[in-house]
Amino acid sequence: DQQVKQNSPSLSVQEGRISILNCDYTNSMFDYFLWYKKYPAEGPTFLISISSIKDKNEDGRFTVFLNKSAKHLSLHIVPSQPGDSAVYFCAATSNVADKLIFGTGTRLQVFP
Amino acid sequence: GAVVSQHPSRVICKSGTSVKIECRSLDFQATTMFWYRQFPKKSLMLMATSNEGSKATYEQGVEKDKFLINHASLTLSTLTVTSAHPEDSSFYICSASRPTIQETQYFGPGTRLLVL
Repeated sequence: DQQVKQNSPSLSVQEGRISILNCDYTNSMFDYFLWYKKYPAEGPTFLISISSIKDKNEDGRFTVFLNKSAKHLSLHIVPSQPGDSAVYFCAATSNVADKLIFGTGTRLQVFP
Repeated sequence: GAVVSQHPSRVICKSGTSVKIECRSLDFQATTMFWYRQFPKKSLMLMATSNEGSKATYEQGVEKDKFLINHASLTLSTLTVTSAHPEDSSFYICSASRPTIQETQYFGPGTRLLVL
């Protein structure tokens, strides 16, 4: 059973608009969440993370929001740029286990 | 949902020995599997791309003779770390993609390798 879910396999957004990528998790033991960005033929690269003690973390155009009660996190990209077109994976982990549990990814396409 | 398993989940071995890690797609046929190595601070490095029935494609800097990859069937890929050294100690993660949904990857739970 998928402990981390990204229910939207793809998302298409116009350049300059906001991109919102969603991720849901089921394990309440998760206390650290990460977003990775992946270009074709490359491995995922770390983008931004958030600890469960926070509900928001911002880094430039990227902001991650965490709603613990809903077991939901989202990545906001604003403004979206064509170079943001990639597959985005969310991942979760906990202090008791350093393994990452990944979602299945969402392909973001930013068009002019 | 699709499940990818890895075996073993944790292995400790002596320096100089070889270790085999299995990656299985449990409920779908995976034409392509990927092997990653996790580094501190959660970064992932793609080691190789494994296609069923053909030789794996290794990323630059990854020694193919040290990290042997075999994708013998549509549900199984193996990574063998040969002549393991302590610096090979790491977390190895595989992922698999479906034939029709190439960009969706299902990640395995990872294998912790400790070389003494």
